[in-house]
Amino acid sequence: QKEVEQDPGPLSVPEGAIVSLNCTYSNSAFQYFMWYRQYSRKGPELLMYTYSSGNKEDGRFTAQVDKSSKYISLFIRDSQPSDSATYLCAMKATGGFKTIFGAGTRLFVKA
Amino acid sequence: DVKVTQSSRYLVKRTGEKVFLECVQDMDHENMFWYRQDPGLGLRLIYFSYDVKMKEKGDIPEGYSVSREKKERFSLILESASTNQTSMYLCASSSLDRNTEAFFGQGTRLTVV
Repeated sequence: QKEVEQDPGPLSVPEGAIVSLNCTYSNSAFQYFMWYRQYSRKGPELLMYTYSSGNKEDGRFTAQVDKSSKYISLFIRDSQPSDSATYLCAMKATGGFKTIFGAGTRLFVKA
Repeated sequence: DVKVTQSSRYLVKRTGEKVFLECVQDMDHENMFWYRQDPGLGLRLIYFSYDVKMKEKGDIPEGYSVSREKKERFSLILESASTNQTSMYLCASSSLDRNTEAFFGQGTRLTVV
């Protein structure tokens, strides 16, 4: 079993839809939870970062962490064609160097 | 604007060749990483370095080596390239005190024929 599981998609939605992207994990030592966005033929860029449980909002993006269920989510409101990309969840334990990445979910937002 | 620069976007090499992938960062970051990215497998850590001349194996170091002679530069070496090393290679860096945020280069797509 992988440490981090993420549905690869692809996920196709119409413009303006609410998008929900999810990851599950098995290592209870993870305390830092990140979402990266990767456009085609580019490197990933950090989108959201959350420490421990709870919600974090940044504009149209909301990151949620439920440590009791070992489940994290990224919500995108009012999705735009420019949101079309691969979204990678990532996790890290306190004091660790290694970041564990999910496989990424490919998102298409149709105009 | 922060920058991690990889020397090549695309490379085609022959089986058995020695291959060098170079990465330079301009943020004075202590940590540097090499990943490979394959469909369905996500990013897998090959090697990382937390200081000059220091290196640690990641999850898939076999067939690779690294060099960090200067703080800003981290090189990945494929000693004898094989077709199963065809992949996207990503370099990243992070600071010691904000090591949850990694900055990535644009990637090198390596094809071994």
